[in-house]
Amino acid sequence: DAMVIQNPRYQVTQFGKPVTLSCSQTLNHNVMYWYQQKSSQAPKLLFHYYDKDFNNEADTPDNFQSRRPNTSFCFLDIRSPGLGDAAMYLCATSRDSDYEQYFGPGTRLTVT
Amino acid sequence: GQQLNQSPQSMFIQEGEDVSMNCTSSSIFNTWLWYKQDPGEGPVLLIALYKAGELTSNGRLTAQFGITRKDSFLNISASIPSDVGIYFCAGQLAGGTSYGKLTFGQGTILTVHP
Repeated sequence: DAMVIQNPRYQVTQFGKPVTLSCSQTLNHNVMYWYQQKSSQAPKLLFHYYDKDFNNEADTPDNFQSRRPNTSFCFLDIRSPGLGDAAMYLCATSRDSDYEQYFGPGTRLTVT
Repeated sequence: GQQLNQSPQSMFIQEGEDVSMNCTSSSIFNTWLWYKQDPGEGPVLLIALYKAGELTSNGRLTAQFGITRKDSFLNISASIPSDVGIYFCAGQLAGGTSYGKLTFGQGTILTVHP
């Protein structure tokens, strides 16, 4: 089945230690998104790629970076995680900008 | 950022009852999406709506894109225990940026008692 895959599902990192979360998709979608979701809140968009074009949300901290080496994969790098970065990180894809988004299962990040 | 007004915030119902939730905004939307999220999982797309007045069903779920393009509702008929979860509406603003950024509602927490 075509799908959005996120690894790992659970990630524990230490305060200040860089961490990378990964997302892959078999849908061959042009657009890939990264969201941060904190408990009982709606997902918050961090940035997205339209093909290779990177688009950062104005309020996304510089601590968050992303890479998309090819159509199928996208990575979220957190350079120096703080306690406030503990959250669920969701990857989503869409065929184009005007189409529905499909989410992966998420990575739960814990910062100790 | 701008949010949709989603209501109710939570619902406690008996198995077999029908459920209705809605989202409203002062802005016009091109697209309405309804998602269900289980604890520890990502949101799962339930229904996508693209035209004003559109009424779409997915099994026991029915959703409509409001005529004014400022609202949408989701109905669940004959609820079952596995309907438990958080339901989010999300929309793409008309006249906004072209990349399909979603505006989310606050979510409706649904609890179904057997």
